[in-house]
Parts: sequence; structure tokens; C-alpha cells
Amino acid sequence: GAVVSQHPSWVICKSGTSVKIECRSLDFQATTMFWYRQFPKQSLMLMATSNEGSKATYEQGVEKDKFLINHASLTLSTLTVTSAHPEDSSFYICSGEIRVNTDTQYFGPGTRLTVL
Amino acid sequence: DAKTTQPPSMDCAEGRAANLPCNHSTISGNEYVYWYRQIHSQGPQYIIHGLKNNETNEMASLIITEDRKSSTLILPHATLRDTAVYYCIVKGYNFNKFYFGSGTKLNVKP
Repeated sequence: GAVVSQHPSWVICKSGTSVKIECRSLDFQATTMFWYRQFPKQSLMLMATSNEGSKATYEQGVEKDKFLINHASLTLSTLTVTSAHPEDSSFYICSGEIRVNTDTQYFGPGTRLTVL
Repeated sequence: DAKTTQPPSMDCAEGRAANLPCNHSTISGNEYVYWYRQIHSQGPQYIIHGLKNNETNEMASLIITEDRKSSTLILPHATLRDTAVYYCIVKGYNFNKFYFGSGTKLNVKP
């Protein structure tokens, strides 16, 4: 149980275009989902917290107008990288939270974004 | 949230137990210890978590010291597939964000 999927698994786009990444919890409902970014040989960095039906909360230094997050249902959150640039190339990972006794996050497989 | 300190890397022979330490000396009473691992180019995988008692599941055992200032993740019989970066995270019950440190790169060798 506790499976999270992401689509696409990898994407290559041109500079200036927008890219949407989907995150789905397949066998549980996630009131809260999280988005992380990971650069090569670095640890995961939390970008934002997404609550179903409300605006996302962004970590300090993350541009909310560049990284648009929508959490329209209890099983789907999307991250749109707007006007992507080469420096946005990274590994983007989402997670869904299960709140039973304690809060445990289950992570998706990640999406590799390459901006040319 | 309390910060954690882990060795950057460790080696383990295949079939032997892997003991991964984590120091969290500033942990507070309501903070849990979580362990995740990340195999190259994949999302992190949940392993185990605990508050103060030792915990065991099908993947690993978590040993938390009595003063809760440190813990050890034990993989009883490491295999090559256990080669990964292991992250120890401390998080309060009513605080739902995970902040990842640099983790420990476990190299399981034949």
C-alpha cells in the first residue's frame, strides 16, 4: 500500500516553455502533498506544501509564481514549472502524507526535468 | 525540528548487518525519528519510524537510545540492493514537514 505515482517520469523542454508534473496517490487519500527538488549529488529540498482545496505554502526562496501548485483532489497534485530555464533542470519529487497515529510521507518515483 | 548528524558514508559486506547511526541530540519529547532511503534516481522509500521504543518491521530495526539523543537503523542482512543513501529525519507530531539532511551513503559490497 501507500503508492504514489508521478507523470511524466522524465521530460525535456525548451527554455521559456511550461511543464506540468502530476503526482497521484494511488491507494490512499492525501490531504497534504509535498513537492521537493533535488539537484545532482545533493539532498532533497522541500519546495512547498500542498493542501487539498487550498493554496500551497512555499518554502522561503521558492518562487510561487514560477512553481504553480494545484491540489484539486485528495489524490492529485500538480506542479507547473512556468517559463522554464536551464537552471530549473532538476529531479522533482512529490509525496503524499498519511496521517494515522503519526504523519508518514510516501514518495513518488520522481520526475527528471531537463530544460534546454 | 531537531537537526540530525549522520556519517557521510559507510561500507558493509553483503549478508552482514548494516548499522547506520544518527545523532539527534536536540530532539524534543514529541519528535519522532524517521528513516528513509533513496536508491539512485528514485524517490525516497519509507523504512521505519519511532518515538522512544525500539521498532522492528520487515525491512529493518530501529534502536533509539534511552535519552533519545541518538538512534541506529539496523538492516539485519544487507544485500547489494540495499546500497542507497539513508536519511534520518526528526519531526514533531504536529509538524508535517520533512527536512532532509545529507544522509549516509551505504555501500554494500559482495
